[in-house]
Amino acid sequence: KNQVEQSPQSLIILEGKNCTLQCNYTVSPFSNLRWYKQDTGRGPVSLTIMTFSENTKSNGRYTATLDADTKQSSLHITASQLSDSASYICVVSAGNDMRFGAGTRLTVKP
Amino acid sequence: NAGVTQTPKFRILKIGQSMTLQCTQDMNHNYMYWYRQDPGMGLKLIYYSVGAGITDKGEVPNGYNVSRSTTEDFPLRLELAAPSQTSVYFCASRNLAGTATYEQYFGPGTRLTVT
Repeated sequence: KNQVEQSPQSLIILEGKNCTLQCNYTVSPFSNLRWYKQDTGRGPVSLTIMTFSENTKSNGRYTATLDADTKQSSLHITASQLSDSASYICVVSAGNDMRFGAGTRLTVKP
Repeated sequence: NAGVTQTPKFRILKIGQSMTLQCTQDMNHNYMYWYRQDPGMGLKLIYYSVGAGITDKGEVPNGYNVSRSTTEDFPLRLELAAPSQTSVYFCASRNLAGTATYEQYFGPGTRLTVT
């Protein structure tokens, strides 16, 4: 069954600290993996997209990694800011079939 | 470009009522999607369309209908609202890019409560 599991469910960190969010998947055949940021009350916004051949992709303070062998991805946030408070969603595609994780709710406190 | 717009932002329905959630995109995208997002769950695909006049079911289509008469608009219809349809609904669109890294754009969502 095509599944996407994210951990932790929620995370609280202090402003300026780094954090890493995890995504494990069983989706097959793999096409690409995306990380989205979803602010409260808004639609998801794309952060990174990685294909099978890419093992790291950065977007400013966000760095995503992909291990296609172990079917794991992580999203590392550096020097967190209050505006990073949001849900982060991992999405894995098999062709046109996109499977969404439940997300990690990140709260950055001053 | 306004991107993907959805109306209304919020709606409360009584059981058995019907309504249409509107979705419009001004990016000339061929592909459009409707998702629902329940608390603690990932987005689930309700219906999608690959172009005007073509629609297909997603993972959770029961209780919903769609139409795609133009490239820009993709309304979602609830005929007999049920409490199980209480959710946040997102419309999304993307272009026909042939690569695996196409960009998908989401609307701001419609929060629907059925009581």
